[in-house]
Amino acid sequence: DAGVIQSPRHEVTEMGQEVTLRCKPISGHNSLFWYRQTMMRGLELLIYFNNNVPIDDSGMPEDRFSAKMPNASFSTLKIQPSEPRDSAVYFCASSPAQGAGGYTFGSGTRLTVV
Amino acid sequence: DAKTTQPPSMDCAEGRAANLPCNHSTISGNEYVYWYRQIHSQGPQYIIHGLKNNETNEMASLIITEDRKSSTLILPHATLRDTAVYYCIVRVYSNTGNQFYFGTGTSLTVIP
Repeated sequence: DAGVIQSPRHEVTEMGQEVTLRCKPISGHNSLFWYRQTMMRGLELLIYFNNNVPIDDSGMPEDRFSAKMPNASFSTLKIQPSEPRDSAVYFCASSPAQGAGGYTFGSGTRLTVV
Repeated sequence: DAKTTQPPSMDCAEGRAANLPCNHSTISGNEYVYWYRQIHSQGPQYIIHGLKNNETNEMASLIITEDRKSSTLILPHATLRDTAVYYCIVRVYSNTGNQFYFGTGTSLTVIP
């Protein structure tokens, strides 16, 4: 199993541009989570999906952020327009919906908005 | 979810056992205790979880006190590769998925 795959690994963009981060969860996992990590705020849960349906997006900071999961094997996190304060490492994680086990995280996307 | 309290940092000599404490005095009866770690620049890694009984796997052991108000993660023979930030989280299991909220964790440094 290749694990949770995120792309790109690094993204540098100019303020105002649209940024799309991508995630492929582990096959068979029903739950998918997007986190953001910064030095100031640590790891923050942004949104999570269960069976491709968004369950809780209360952690999404602003309307500039949106996430979709069109099918069980793909999710995107979009920021439009991007701002320098969005610079962070964005992690995607997945888990089986049933059972009390932990998540598997991807390697993250390091976003820099200049 | 119950709040957890962990020391901000700890050192451990290589080859010795690393004992990482966590207080969760407000834990409720249906909340599990989870441990994750994050090695620099990588995504967090699930280590172990438990409800009431002590648990052991290939990575670590989890000791939960009888009153469940605290727990200890034990790395039996710490190596330099165990240097990481360790997060203790309590969470109610939900059949729509487990949401984990990470605190600041304990930064463990394994010293040669």
